[in-house]
Amino acid sequence: NAGVMQNPRHLVRRRGQEARLRCSPMKGHSHVYWYRQLPEEGLKFMVYLQKENIIDESGMPKERFSAEFPKEGPSILRIQQVVRGDSAAYFCASSQDSSDIQYFGAGTRLSVL
Amino acid sequence: AQSVTQLDSQVPVFEEAPVELRCNYSSSVSVYLFWYVQYPNQGLQLLLKYLSGSTLVKGINGFEAEFNKSQTSFHLRKPSVHISDTAEYFCAVANQGGKLIFGQGTELSVKP
Repeated sequence: NAGVMQNPRHLVRRRGQEARLRCSPMKGHSHVYWYRQLPEEGLKFMVYLQKENIIDESGMPKERFSAEFPKEGPSILRIQQVVRGDSAAYFCASSQDSSDIQYFGAGTRLSVL
Repeated sequence: AQSVTQLDSQVPVFEEAPVELRCNYSSSVSVYLFWYVQYPNQGLQLLLKYLSGSTLVKGINGFEAEFNKSQTSFHLRKPSVHISDTAEYFCAVANQGGKLIFGQGTELSVKP
């Protein structure tokens, strides 16, 4: 019974490149959340998705960031034209519904050179 | 708006001593409360949760927390810590909208 799977675990990008972070939720979970953990800070909510729908994107930066959760396949967090300030750990969580416990993946650590 | 304040950024403690990690929240609506633990370079693992019912909640690894509505607190306690409890601990609040609002985290350091 696999948990929330995130890949890659570590991602290195140069400034200006694109970063794609993938998240496969737990089996039976149709709700996905993305959080960002900047160095020396707590986790900040970014976006909440259900299959094919963005429910809440109030935590997403206005530019360069996008997220999707297609009918088939993992959820993708996409960061275009990365900058050094995007360096952080990005965590995905999934749940069965909006009031259920969220289970977290191990995270993707993005380093921008 | 909801917010969470973890009053201590670092808590050093000796092995087998008791520990309390403090958490206060603010919210104008009913909330769910959580404590998560993060070991180095890993994701978050749920320690315990308060959804409703008994205000004393027991979690994994011998941890417990007490929901105090009048003081808007949800402090985490363990009567006797182990070296293996060294980690970062996050308090979080959520309403039925789903997203978690986290505190800044408390780094628990257990020394022999």
